Amino acid sequence: NAGVTQTPKFQVLKTGQSMTLQCAQDMNHNSMYWYRQDPGMGLRLIYYSASEGTTDKGEVPNGYNVSRLNKREFSLRLESAAPSQTSVYFCATTQGFTDTQYFGPGTRLTVL
Amino acid sequence: AQSVTQLDSQVPVFEEAPVELRCNYSSSVSVYLFWYVQYPNQGLQLLLKYLSGSTLVESINGFEAEFNKSQTSFHLRKPSVHISDTAEYFCAVTHGSGNTGKLIFGQGTTLQVKP
Repeated sequence: NAGVTQTPKFQVLKTGQSMTLQCAQDMNHNSMYWYRQDPGMGLRLIYYSASEGTTDKGEVPNGYNVSRLNKREFSLRLESAAPSQTSVYFCATTQGFTDTQYFGPGTRLTVL
Repeated sequence: AQSVTQLDSQVPVFEEAPVELRCNYSSSVSVYLFWYVQYPNQGLQLLLKYLSGSTLVESINGFEAEFNKSQTSFHLRKPSVHISDTAEYFCAVTHGSGNTGKLIFGQGTTLQVKP
């Protein structure tokens, strides 16, 4: 029982390159989220998926796309990376809005 | 719109001293409140939450927080801290009507416990 896993753990990109961050959960939860964490700004929601087959924008969606591949997997794609997207990215999952959100270990992304 | 303000970005304290990490929120509807902790190079973990009922909630490792509706606050306290409490602490809020679990986080407070 791994909980929430994220790959890769670290990534360095050049401006304009693309990549996909992967997230998988084995908790059978309906809702999944992508956040970015920047110093002094806390965590900001990028996109979320309330259930399989649905996705919605969060607070800072520009420059990102997501796919809820199935109940377990929720991926985040950067089509053309920019230095402003240098951040730590966290995936999270929960069963209901009053329940605990369980976070993955994070992906540290640097865009040069 | 909801927002969360953590009033201190860093709180240095000596081991065994008491600590309070402050959190204020703004919302026009009823809210649910959370404190999450992030140890170095890890993801966030739930520390405690307020949903309803008693306004004082406790965690298993000695932290407590009190929901104060009139002051729109949810401050986190511990009477005696340990070195192992060194971490970043995030206050978060979500509202209870028709939402999908989206959390609004504060900026975070780094608790530095010194020997």
